[in-house]
Amino acid sequence: AQTVTQSQPEMSVQEAETVTLSCTYDTSESDYYLFWYKQPPSRQMILVIRQEAYKQQNATENRFSVNFQKAAKSFSLKISDSQLGDAAMYFCAYGHYPGDKIIFGKGTRLHILP
Amino acid sequence: DSGVTQTPKHLITATGQRVTLRCSPRSGDLSVYWYQQSLDQGLQFLIQYYNGEERAKGNILERFSAQQFPDLHSELNLSSLELGDSALYFCASSVDSGGRANYGYTFGSGTRLTVV
Repeated sequence: AQTVTQSQPEMSVQEAETVTLSCTYDTSESDYYLFWYKQPPSRQMILVIRQEAYKQQNATENRFSVNFQKAAKSFSLKISDSQLGDAAMYFCAYGHYPGDKIIFGKGTRLHILP
Repeated sequence: DSGVTQTPKHLITATGQRVTLRCSPRSGDLSVYWYQQSLDQGLQFLIQYYNGEERAKGNILERFSAQQFPDLHSELNLSSLELGDSALYFCASSVDSGGRANYGYTFGSGTRLTVV
């Protein structure tokens, strides 16, 4: 069965600095998708970034980028120029084929220090 | 507004009662997923429906059931409620594009259930 592990329950970063959130996963599939979701205090789940496993190029969305290491089954999220609005719970997630259920890690709570 | 509508936003009920949570997926999305998020926990997959049919089942209790109607809205029924059922229940929908890519979910804003 697929699993997603986030080993950092909480992290803090100074405003304007860079922070990296870690995620590892386990799967026997060769083709799959990985996601990072953000859950701010409003509790809304927001898709931050997605990565297709067959693409070697790391996905980037503005200040958010990932470091995808397929062989190591690692998928970290880097947030550059951290802003107060980035304070949230971040969930790493795995999905296989289109329409498959998505499996979430337990999350990392990110604090932004002014 | 994500396009996925969940009602009600908040629900307070007593132990032993039954409640129904409702979800309308984003226009064009055929799949609906239900997740449970307990306090400061990750999201636990409960069940998925695709175009009216159950497609996948997770760790859903026997006291819980769901269905998806012809207009694609879905309802999650929770019965014989216990204190431990207090949680945030999310509905999400996805574009099932016929096998080309997985674009993830669009989530509703959730229903906060409190059992007292």
